[in-house]
Amino acid sequence: NAGVTQTPKFQVLKTGQSMTLQCAQDMNHEYMSWYRQDPGMGLRLIHYSVGAGITDQGEVPNGYNVSRSTTEDFPLRLLSAAPSQTSVYFCASSYSGQGTQYFGPGTRLTVL
Amino acid sequence: AQKITQTQPGMFVQEKEAVTLDCTYDTSDQSYGLFWYKQPSSGEMIFLIYQGSYDEQNATEGRYSLNFQKARKSANLVISASQLGDSAMYFCAMREVDSSYKLIFGSGTRLLVRP
Repeated sequence: NAGVTQTPKFQVLKTGQSMTLQCAQDMNHEYMSWYRQDPGMGLRLIHYSVGAGITDQGEVPNGYNVSRSTTEDFPLRLLSAAPSQTSVYFCASSYSGQGTQYFGPGTRLTVL
Repeated sequence: AQKITQTQPGMFVQEKEAVTLDCTYDTSDQSYGLFWYKQPSSGEMIFLIYQGSYDEQNATEGRYSLNFQKARKSANLVISASQLGDSAMYFCAMREVDSSYKLIFGSGTRLLVRP
């Protein structure tokens, strides 16, 4: 049982480049979300989805886009990377919005 | 205003002893959820334990228990019989009652278990 998977594990970008962080889950969870973790801090919500075709903004959405075409996948797109987006990104999923959220292993992103 | 407060940036505990990690929260909602996650040095976030605001009994999961004191708005994590593998960052989180279902995290406590 893979749970929540994220690719890549590490990524280095130059300012202005774009890229997509992949997230997939095999638990048939309706709710998926993206968080970022900055040094010395807890996680902050970027975007979330309560089901396929439905997405919404979280606490820190600027500079990021998401889509949810299937239940399993929830990619996060960085449109034009900035050094302020250097962080560790976590994807999470739960059976419902009120369920326990399970996290993927994270992607460590550095923007130069 | 900070909604989740973890006042212990770092703690030590001797192997096989119990340790309590503090967490206080701030909310005006009657219905909410409280979570503890463990983040080892490898970086993943591991769910440990959940307490619902209407749960009358303290949650327990193996060596983990949650000391829930609703009137004091505290949700402390108790780890019994500490093991070397318990050395990690521990985050307390609260689920907001809004459409985002987002988790609000504290700043974490780094626990080091001494042999």
